[in-house]
This record gives sequence, structure tokens and C-alpha cells, in this order.
Amino acid sequence: DQQVKQNSPSLSVQEGRISILNCDYTNSMFDYFLWYKKYPAEGPTFLISISSIKDKNEDGRFTVFLNKSAKHLSLHIVPSQPGDSAVYFCAASGNYGGSQGNLIFGKGTKLSVKP
Amino acid sequence: GAGVSQSPRYKVAKRGQDVALRCDPISGHVSLFWYQQALGQGPEFLTYFQNEAQLDKSGLPSDRFFAERPEGSVSTLKIQRTQQEDSAVYLCASSLETGIYGYTFGSGTRLTVV
Repeated sequence: DQQVKQNSPSLSVQEGRISILNCDYTNSMFDYFLWYKKYPAEGPTFLISISSIKDKNEDGRFTVFLNKSAKHLSLHIVPSQPGDSAVYFCAASGNYGGSQGNLIFGKGTKLSVKP
Repeated sequence: GAGVSQSPRYKVAKRGQDVALRCDPISGHVSLFWYQQALGQGPEFLTYFQNEAQLDKSGLPSDRFFAERPEGSVSTLKIQRTQQEDSAVYLCASSLETGIYGYTFGSGTRLTVV
């Protein structure tokens, strides 16, 4: 039973447009959410995070939105660039019984940004 | 070093063989994690160390999996009597402090059991 779901395996966007990656979770005990970016043959790289006490966090071209009532978060990339092409993982953590720092990951969404 | 280093990058093992995967975390990082990533899946938690103490090993899939970090820096993940279902990328991550979630991953070891 997946606690973190990324229902879109892939997404294709034109350069300069907005990319929106979505993530849903089921465990209401999660209180911290992260996005990681992964290039082929490399480990995931931390991108941006958000605490459950906030509904938005922005860092340059990247913004994460959290809707706790819907148990949904999204990552917006504006404007999208070809170098953003990668697999994006949503991850969650919190006081659900796991040890501190133990992350639950989604399956990932492969983003392709076309020039 | 500048990042988390894992070796070997690739390992092919015959079924039933024992393997050892090494992780060199960023110097001074207290927390160290091991994750397993099967093809087409997200990383799944295996175990967590704070310095040399293994505080959580709830993700280890069987007693064939064993991890250690005896001096609080380098860690080794050992898999005994490997099975085909053990084929995956094994990722190590470290962070400076406990509770810092944006930790740094290594590039992983791709294990293929034939």
C-alpha cells in the first residue's frame, strides 16, 4: 500500500513553460515533504522542501505547494529549462512510527523539457 | 570528500554469493541511511545510523541483510546468499545532523544477481 503516490509516470513540457508535478499522500501523520531530482546514473539530489505548517515554499524557479486537507502537494517549475529534464521524486517524513529522517518516496515522475 | 562515495558502482553476483557494499559519507556527517531502489520504483528505506549506533533497521527485508558503521564514518551493507530479488540500486545518504531531511545521496551501487 503506497503512502506516497506520483500518479503520472512522465510529463513533457515545452521550454519556457510551466512544469507541474503532482504528489498525493495517505498518511496524515506526515509533517515534512521534500522533492528530489535524479539524473541517470546519479543519486537523487535534494531540491526543495516544505513543512506541514506552511502551504507554500519558493526557491528561485521552484515552488512547492501543500494542500493538507487534500493530502496533495505539487512542484511548479517556472520557466522550465532543458536541464530540468530528470526524474522527480516526492518524499515524506514525520511522526508516523519511522525513525527521524526516514523518508517515504513516491515512484517518481520523468520530466522531459523540449527545446 | 566532497560528496557521498559508494563502491563498487556496479556489482554482478551469482545467486547464493555474499556481497559487501561500501559507503563513505561526507566527512563529519552524523546521520547515515541506506535505501534500496528497484527498477521503476522510488528509493525504499533500509536502515539508519546515528554515528556508530544503528537506530533503525526496520527496512531490512530479511536477516540476510546486515549493515554496520563501526567507527561512525564508513558504512558497509552486506547481503548474504544473494537472491534475484535483491537486484536493485543501493543508495547511501548522509546528513550533518539528525533530523535534517535534505540529505545528500551517493550515486549508488547497482547490484545484479544472476
